[in-house]
Amino acid sequence: EVQLVESGGGLVQPGGSLRLSCAASGFTFSTYSMNWVRQAPGKGLEWVSYISSTSTTTYYADSVKGRFTISRDNAKNSLYLQMNSLRDEDTAVYYCARDRIMGYWGQGTLVTVSS
Amino acid sequence: DVVMTQSPLSLPVTLGQPASISCRSSQSLVSSDGNTYLNWFQQRPGQSPRRLIYKVSNRDSGVPDRFSGSGSGTDFTLKISRVEAEDVGVYYCMQGTHWPPLTFGGGTKVEIK
Repeated sequence: EVQLVESGGGLVQPGGSLRLSCAASGFTFSTYSMNWVRQAPGKGLEWVSYISSTSTTTYYADSVKGRFTISRDNAKNSLYLQMNSLRDEDTAVYYCARDRIMGYWGQGTLVTVSS
Repeated sequence: DVVMTQSPLSLPVTLGQPASISCRSSQSLVSSDGNTYLNWFQQRPGQSPRRLIYKVSNRDSGVPDRFSGSGSGTDFTLKISRVEAEDVGVYYCMQGTHWPPLTFGGGTKVEIK
C-alpha cells in the first residue's frame, strides 16, 4: 500500500525557517518524481514545487522561488522542503504528492506563520 | 501560466440526482505526446485530496463508476450519475500539460440539498 506521511509543520514567526519531511513507503520511491502542494485555510490547492526522481530537475512556484528548496534522499525514501524567509501568506497545510499526475497524497502537515 | 476555471462554485444536489462540474482551461491541454493531462480530485471535509480521474476520462482504482470524466481541448466535465452522501466535498480539476507550474481550478463545492 502506498503511504506518504508528512511531518515537520508547526508555528513559526515571520522570517523564520522550517523543514518539512515526507516519508514514502509501499512503492519504489527512487523511480518517481514528487511534488509539494499547499492549501491555505479555507482556500484551494496551490502547487509549490516539483523534483524529478534523480533530483536532476526541480521547479518552484513563483510565490516561493528563492525562499524554498525541495530535495530528496532516495536511500531514506524521503522528500524534503526547506522553507526560509517565511511569510504570513505561507500559512497552509502542506501535502506531498507522488509524480506529476498526483496519484497519491499524504495527510498533510500544518505550517502556521505568525508573530 | 494556464488558468483553470471551474463552474459552478457551489453545487447543491438532491441525493440520487446527477451532478455536473465544468472545468475550462485558458489554452488547449493536448500535449505534444498526444495525451491530455487533465485530472480531477475529490477532497472530502477534513481529508486530503484524492485523485478520481486522470488524463480526462480514466477512473482511478476504487473510484465508483458513477464518476465519469469527459472533454477535450479546453473544455472538460466531471459527472456524478447519482449523487450519494459520501460525495459531499470539494472537487478540483488540475492540468499537467503546460508546466511548470501545475495549476488547479478554484474548486466546486458539492453539497446535499
